[in-house]
Amino acid sequence: GDSVTQMEGPVTLSEEAFLTINCTYTATGYPSLFWYVQYPGEGLQLLLKATKADDKGSNKGFEATYRKETTSFHLEKGSVQVSDSAVYFCALRSNTNAGKSTFGDGTTLTVKP
Amino acid sequence: DTGVSQDPRHKITKRGQNVTFRCDPISEHNRLYWYRQTLGQGPEFLTYFQNEAQLEKSRLLSDRFSAERPKGSFSTLEIQRTEQGDSAMYLCASSNRGGEKLFFGSGTQLSVL
Repeated sequence: GDSVTQMEGPVTLSEEAFLTINCTYTATGYPSLFWYVQYPGEGLQLLLKATKADDKGSNKGFEATYRKETTSFHLEKGSVQVSDSAVYFCALRSNTNAGKSTFGDGTTLTVKP
Repeated sequence: DTGVSQDPRHKITKRGQNVTFRCDPISEHNRLYWYRQTLGQGPEFLTYFQNEAQLEKSRLLSDRFSAERPKGSFSTLEIQRTEQGDSAMYLCASSNRGGEKLFFGSGTQLSVL
C-alpha cells in the first residue's frame, strides 16, 4: 500500500539557517504530493503541493520538487524564521484512490532566534 | 468561509461508554473526511464521504465506529463501547470535488479512562 517516510525530528535551527526535511514515498500509479504544516495550537493546513513529476510546489519561501526517479519530495527553505516553528507533514494522494491521503509521521521544527 | 469546525474540542469518557463527535465542513465542499492522529504520528485515514455517500472505510474502522453524513452537510462519528486504545485526536477535513486540497478542523481530543 501507499506509504510516506519523513526525516525524523525534532529539528532545531538558528534563524536564517537553511532547512531541508526529507520525504520519500511509495505509491501505485502517479500520486499527488503535499506538504502540510501545523502551527502550535492550530489545525493542519496545506503548505504546498505538486501534482506531477518535476513539478515544484512553493509557498511562503518553502519549496519542494516532485522527483519521480527518487520517489522523493524534500521540503526546503533558504532562510528560516522563528515563525516557521511548527510540525511539518509530507503526504500523498494516489490517483487510483482519490478519497484517501496518506501522511508521514511529521517532523517538528524549532527555530531559535 | 468559516472553516471546518469540530465539536467538542475535548472529550473525556470512561471505558465502555459511547461518544459522538460532530464535524461541520466548509459549506460548498462536497467531500468530507475523518482521520485519527495519535501523538508523534501523522493522521491516519478512517473514512470519507462524497455528499451523503460513504465511499470508503479504512480497515482501522472497526464495527464499533460508525460515521454518517445525512443530507451531505455535517457529519458525525460515533464510537461505541470505547476502549483505551481509542484515545487519540479525531480530525475532520473537507474538500471540493477535485479533492486536491484538504481543509482540516482543529480536531476533537478523545481521552478514554
